[in-house]
Amino acid sequence: QVHLVQSGTEVKKPGASVKVSCKASGYTFTNYGITWVRQAPGQGLEWMGWISAYNGNTNYAQKLQDRVTMTTETSTSTVYMELRSLRSDDTAVYYCARVVVGAYYFDYWGQGTLVTVSS
Amino acid sequence: DIQMTQSPSSLSASVGDRVTIPCRASQSISRYLNWYQQKPGEAPKLLIYATSNLQRGVPSRFSGSASGTDFTLTISSLQPEDFATYYCQQSYSTPYTFGQGTKLEIK
Repeated sequence: QVHLVQSGTEVKKPGASVKVSCKASGYTFTNYGITWVRQAPGQGLEWMGWISAYNGNTNYAQKLQDRVTMTTETSTSTVYMELRSLRSDDTAVYYCARVVVGAYYFDYWGQGTLVTVSS
Repeated sequence: DIQMTQSPSSLSASVGDRVTIPCRASQSISRYLNWYQQKPGEAPKLLIYATSNLQRGVPSRFSGSASGTDFTLTISSLQPEDFATYYCQQSYSTPYTFGQGTKLEIK
């Protein structure tokens, strides 16, 4: 069975960076991608970008392009999402999800990681 | 960027009702439209992919359809566990945008 397990809650100060992990299991890691979607309190879903676990190619949302980096560690089937220069409006639950490459829908999701940015 | 519009933002219905939830794309997205269900405090769950394909394990009372750039999620007979927020998402081109969501509430 497919599982995506994310790292725990983070509290950061404005200007700091955060790195969230997403460990995959139950499938061939390199056959899919991983996307990151965030949800601010009481708001909808915002797509942040995705990474191919096959070759590490990335595609980021333009508004986050300068501050976000997604990487893979194939040996542990783990994907990382780092967000830099944090601001209060980055406070959100961050989800990873598996990407079915070609159709680009998100079929399995992690449990979410709350990132709070506050001074 | 492709804009996805979901209106209304909330909908009231009763158990047993047939409900349709609309979603409109700002331009052609072929059939690259997916539907997710999210309950409070939980991660989204994929219901329908590529307009009308039911994800494994999702009850058959859920279905999807399209007419041009208008897409519809239909629940044939509402069950208590279906009260949630529903999001459409286009996967035609990046950024893979979501609609604002439609919250389905108990009447």
